Amino acid sequence: QKEVEQNSGPLSVPEGAIASLNCTYSDRGSQSFFWYRQYSGKSPELIMFIYSNGDKEDGRFTAQLNKASQYVSLLIRDSQPSDSATYLCAWGGGGNKLTFGTGTQLKVEL
Amino acid sequence: DAMVIQNPRYQVTQFGKPVTLSCSQTLNHNVMYWYQQKSSQAPKLLFHYYDKDFNNEADTPDNFQSRRPNTSFCFLDIRSPGLGDAAMYLCATRGLRDSRTTNEKLFFGSGTQLSVL
Repeated sequence: QKEVEQNSGPLSVPEGAIASLNCTYSDRGSQSFFWYRQYSGKSPELIMFIYSNGDKEDGRFTAQLNKASQYVSLLIRDSQPSDSATYLCAWGGGGNKLTFGTGTQLKVEL
Repeated sequence: DAMVIQNPRYQVTQFGKPVTLSCSQTLNHNVMYWYQQKSSQAPKLLFHYYDKDFNNEADTPDNFQSRRPNTSFCFLDIRSPGLGDAAMYLCATRGLRDSRTTNEKLFFGSGTQLSVL
C-alpha cells in the first residue's frame, strides 16, 4: 500500500468555485501534514501545514485533518486560474523525512 | 532573495558521464535533502544530511552519492547516469532549531532539470 495516496486528477473547477483536494495516508504514527503547490517545471512551495485534528484556515485555503480516518484535505475557496497547479500532500512521521504523494492536478477554468 | 540555490537550472549530460549537481543555502539550516522527481511522480527522497550525518534511503541506487563539505553546501554526484536518471533534482533544507510551527517546513531550491543523452 502506498504511504500517501492522492487522486491524480485532473480536477477541473470553474473560477470562483471551491476546489477540494484529498489525501489519505497509511501510517498512524504520522504527526504532521503539509500541502505543497507545484507549478509545472518549478519546485514545490508550501501552502499549509497542520498538526492537529480539525480545520486550519489561511486566507482562501483551509486544511482539514482527521487522524482517526487518516485523511487530510485542502479546500481552496474562490478558485482562481492562478491556482491551477499540482498540489502535493506530504506527511512527516517523525525523524527528518517528509513523504510526498503523487499530487493532484488542479485546473481552474474561466 | 533566494535562500536555497541550485546550480545549474538545466544540466545535460551524456550516458555514463559523471555529473555533479550543487546546492547552497543561506539559511544556516542543519538538514539538507536531495529529492528526485520524475514527470507526474512524487518527489522521491534520495538521501539527507543531519549536520554531517549522512542518511541514505534504502532504495537509492549506488550510482548516486552525496557530499556536504560544510553547512552551506551539498552536492549530488551521479557516477554513471543512465537514461532513467533524467529527472528534476530538488534540494531542500530544514532548520530543526526553529519553533515547532516551522521546524518541519522544507525550503526548496528551484531544482535542476537533468537530461541524459
